[in-house]
Amino acid sequence: AQKVTQAQTEISVVEKEDVTLDCVYETRDTTYYLFWYKQPPSGELVFLIRRNSFDEQNEISGRYSWNFQKSTSSFNFTITASQVVDSAVYFCALSHSDTGRRALTFGSGTRLQVQP
Amino acid sequence: NAGVTQTPKFQVLKTGQSMTLQCAQDMNHEYMSWYRQDPGMGLRLIHYSVGAGITDQGEVPNGYNVSRSTTEDFPLRLLSAAPSQTSVYFCASTPGQANTEAFFGQGTRLTVV
Repeated sequence: AQKVTQAQTEISVVEKEDVTLDCVYETRDTTYYLFWYKQPPSGELVFLIRRNSFDEQNEISGRYSWNFQKSTSSFNFTITASQVVDSAVYFCALSHSDTGRRALTFGSGTRLQVQP
Repeated sequence: NAGVTQTPKFQVLKTGQSMTLQCAQDMNHEYMSWYRQDPGMGLRLIHYSVGAGITDQGEVPNGYNVSRSTTEDFPLRLLSAAPSQTSVYFCASTPGQANTEAFFGQGTRLTVV
């Protein structure tokens, strides 16, 4: 069975602080895909990044960066110099092997509150 | 480009009532799926479809039916609503390639009283 664990239920930081959101996953698949989605207070799900299991390079996009480590089954997300607009629930997700890797297994989410 | 459209956005049902949540996509995606989001539990897969005429169960299918008569539409039916089905429901579509992200609708907030 697949599983995604986001142990941090809620994180509160002050604007301009750096913050890392943790994601640990379990899968028996050798080929899989990992994703991060953002859910702002308005409720929609916004895609942030996709990473396949063969690509362990870290990625940086502006203030966002992702650290993928297969050895520890982790796919952590760091926001540098956080801003109030980063306040949201963030979900880590793993491609669902039983569905041909088209559907997703989600973690329980981490609620990030950035205080001004 | 509308993407994935869900209707209604909000719904209140009485226990035992039936209803259909509508989902339509205009991106010609092969794969569609339904999730429910409950506090502290993330999103859980209810049903999914790999193409017109083909559906299958996800992690939490009980109490829900789906059909996929066209590529564009993937309605979710609640046959006899229960308070445990109070949740936010998301429909998603995904292109044929496995390494692409899912595109989500805006969600339907359903309350069963």
